[in-house]
Amino acid sequence: DQQVKQNSPSLSVQEGRISILNCDYTNSMFDYFLWYKKYPAEGPTFLISISSIKDKNEDGRFTVFLNKSAKHLSLHIVPSQPGDSAVYFCAARPTSGNTGKLIFGQGTTLQVKP
Amino acid sequence: EAEVAQSPRYKITEKSQAVAFWCDPISGHATLYWYRQILGQGPELLVQFQDESVVDDSQLPKDRFSAERLKGVDSTLKIQPAELGDSAMYLCASSTLGGHTEAFFGQGTRLTVV
Repeated sequence: DQQVKQNSPSLSVQEGRISILNCDYTNSMFDYFLWYKKYPAEGPTFLISISSIKDKNEDGRFTVFLNKSAKHLSLHIVPSQPGDSAVYFCAARPTSGNTGKLIFGQGTTLQVKP
Repeated sequence: EAEVAQSPRYKITEKSQAVAFWCDPISGHATLYWYRQILGQGPELLVQFQDESVVDDSQLPKDRFSAERLKGVDSTLKIQPAELGDSAMYLCASSTLGGHTEAFFGQGTRLTVV
């Protein structure tokens, strides 16, 4: 069963506009949520994270929102730039064991058009 | 800038052959992970080490996969014999003790089994 889901395989936005990437999870036993960005032929790069006790975390152009009641988080990129074009993975860290293991969603491919 | 090193970057092997991947984590990172990413899916944890000890190998196909981190530094992941379904990106990541911070990924090894 897929505990972390990214239901939109792709998203296309115009440069300068907002990009919103969504992620849903089915298990409440996560203590941290993270977003990673991945370019072709490279490993994922950490972007931003949020603790389960918070509902918003902001870092420059990137903001992550967490809605625990809906089991939903989103990544907002404002303004979007062509260099943001990549695959974005949502990941969640289980509370149990505190091992740091991450459970990833399937990814969303973002294309930012100049 | 410190980074996770992986080799080889690309590997083509025939079905039933043995193949091995190597990873050198960021210096001082006690936790090392091996993930597998199948095209179109998110990374999935295969095995996690804390120093030289395995803390999670529940998703490792132990009949054909093995992993070791003998001195608690670099690590090797082996597949023997390789099967067509093993074609994927194999990602190594590391984090500080206990995985309390984000994991940093290497560039991965793209394995193609023919």
